[in-house]
Amino acid sequence: GQQVMQIPQYQHVQEGEDFTTYCNSSTTLSNIQWYKQRPGGHPVFLIQLVKSGEVKKQKRLTFQFGEAKKNSSLHITATQTTDVGTYFCAGLSSARQLTFGSGTQLTVLP
Amino acid sequence: EAGVAQSPRYKIIEKRQSVAFWCNPISGHATLYWYQQILGQGPKLLIQFQNNGVVDDSQLPKDRFSAERLKGVDSTLKIQPAKLEDSAVYLCASSLGKARGRDTEAFFGQGTRLTVV
Repeated sequence: GQQVMQIPQYQHVQEGEDFTTYCNSSTTLSNIQWYKQRPGGHPVFLIQLVKSGEVKKQKRLTFQFGEAKKNSSLHITATQTTDVGTYFCAGLSSARQLTFGSGTQLTVLP
Repeated sequence: EAGVAQSPRYKIIEKRQSVAFWCNPISGHATLYWYQQILGQGPKLLIQFQNNGVVDDSQLPKDRFSAERLKGVDSTLKIQPAKLEDSAVYLCASSLGKARGRDTEAFFGQGTRLTVV
């Protein structure tokens, strides 16, 4: 079945440093979605990428979808303490299954 | 707009007992997902419904887990009998389930935290 790998598992950064998490799917995706989960909370949708090579920005967050539609990345510029949480990618297969990666837990040190 | 409702929020049971979780998706959402999230891991898809039909249940341990979606709206997930390794948060999510655009965005409920002792 479809597998989605995500690295790194953990990332500790000093406030103001940048952060990147990477996502790789075993199969070509219809779209890639990114979610954020705060401690004790549930995943909350951030963005969806559909087109090959697509790049989207949300303030300090930049999302990329690979040309082959199998990999993606999330980059946060100048992290803030409010960015703390676990970031998940989720790949939507052609069969409409939404498979989550293992997540990257981000800690921002003040 | 009301979100995805789940109950109960917390449940503690002994191993070999049975438990059931309930989910009410957002009105009009055709797709409903049940995920199992073990502490420190990503959500693992257990079963996906499109209206009242099963799209994918390949990772559902069918010897002990069952799920149904009544009339294509509410859904229940049951575990019988429970094992210690079933301790996790069970998340229900729904989406419009159409072919394109933001319609595949999944909205999650608060989850049910299950502890098996």
